[in-house]
Amino acid sequence: EVQLVQSGAEVKKPGESLKISCKGSGYSFTSYWIGWVRQMPGKGLEWMGIIYPGDSDTRYSPSFQGQVTISADKSISTAYLQWSSLKASDTAMYYCARRRDGYNVYYMDVWGKGTTVTVSS
Amino acid sequence: SYELTQPPSVSVSPGQTARITCSGDALPKQYAYWYQQKPGQAPVLVIYKDSERPSGIPERFSGSSSGTTVTLTISGVQAEDEADYYCQSADSSGTVVFGGGTKLTVL
Repeated sequence: EVQLVQSGAEVKKPGESLKISCKGSGYSFTSYWIGWVRQMPGKGLEWMGIIYPGDSDTRYSPSFQGQVTISADKSISTAYLQWSSLKASDTAMYYCARRRDGYNVYYMDVWGKGTTVTVSS
Repeated sequence: SYELTQPPSVSVSPGQTARITCSGDALPKQYAYWYQQKPGQAPVLVIYKDSERPSGIPERFSGSSSGTTVTLTISGVQAEDEADYYCQSADSSGTVVFGGGTKLTVL
């Protein structure tokens, strides 16, 4: 079964750092892009960025460039999303998802269950 | 990047047909995809490449495209279809963009 398993909920204080994970299984992890999507409380889906674990090619949405770092360790089939200094406005659910590509085809076919990040003093 | 515009909400009675639209200038050139998200759950793909249905998705879900607008149609709506629905597309480089989402209420 193809699945993405995300790390557990986090509660942090403003200014702290954080790294959450997304482990793929049931498919060739290095052959598909993994994207990250933010969903703030009561709001819609926002595209953050994406990484190709095969060569760590990474692309960021302009809204998130410089705010987060996306990385991957292909030896353990895991992608990461990290913050160096959290803000209260980072409070959200974060999803990882596998991107299915084809000729002019780009969509997210497998999603993790999400990681809740709460930032509060 | 570009924007996809959805109505914030759509309401329909059980057994009726729900239509959720998504508009964007690039949609004549790029495929659209639709996701269903129920409270507390991750999104689930219900339509890909404008009108294709993944395995396991009920036949009452269908998609269509006309110019700059794509439409998700749910025929014979059931109570379990109450959810948020998001359209998604991408630019030529593969950068994903989501619509703002539509809350479907089954009266």
